[in-house]
Amino acid sequence: RKEVEQDPGPFNVPEGATVAFNCTYSNSASQSFFWYRQDCRKEPKLLMSVYSSGNEDGRFTAQLNRASQYISLLIRDSKLSDSATYLCVVNERGSTLGRLYFGRGTQLTVWP
Amino acid sequence: DTAVSQTPKYLVTQMGNDKSIKCEQNLGHDTMYWYKQDSKKFLKIMFSYNNKELIINETVPNRFSPKSPDKAHLNLHINSLELGDSAVYFCASSQPGGVAEAFFGQGTRLTVV
Repeated sequence: RKEVEQDPGPFNVPEGATVAFNCTYSNSASQSFFWYRQDCRKEPKLLMSVYSSGNEDGRFTAQLNRASQYISLLIRDSKLSDSATYLCVVNERGSTLGRLYFGRGTQLTVWP
Repeated sequence: DTAVSQTPKYLVTQMGNDKSIKCEQNLGHDTMYWYKQDSKKFLKIMFSYNNKELIINETVPNRFSPKSPDKAHLNLHINSLELGDSAVYFCASSQPGGVAEAFFGQGTRLTVV
């Protein structure tokens, strides 16, 4: 069983659309949650952390449901520049032995 | 100023050769990682070091040997390269525990022919 599972897509949406990505994780002891973005042939970069109460950063909204071990990312008013792969990331536990587990990524293409 | 830098960016080599990839971070982080991203884009941890000490070794063949001369450097040496080693290798660093953001190097695209 994979630690982090997410729908690989691809999602193809027009500019201005709203799109949602989902992710589930297997370790109930996980403490930190993130969404990363990876552009083609580039390194992953942090998009946003995900907090228990949910959080928003401009057009991006992240939600966490600890009971269901479920994380989501909502992108409103999609832009062409949002085209990328979105990686759901979960840490193992909050100690020096902690490690980050990456989902396989969800590919998004925004078309004009 | 590049936060996490790794070299080389591209590496093409023949089967059986030995090669090294270097990584340096100037963020003052204690923890550094090597990740492998295969052709299916799955990013999988290989090693993690905390303050020069190995803390994670994820069932990686013995042909892969990381070395951390100090906490700002984590190099990866690969012996007897195989076709299946072809992938993109990313170095990353973070504060301990994985509770904060990890910063990645630009990746090394290794092709074994």
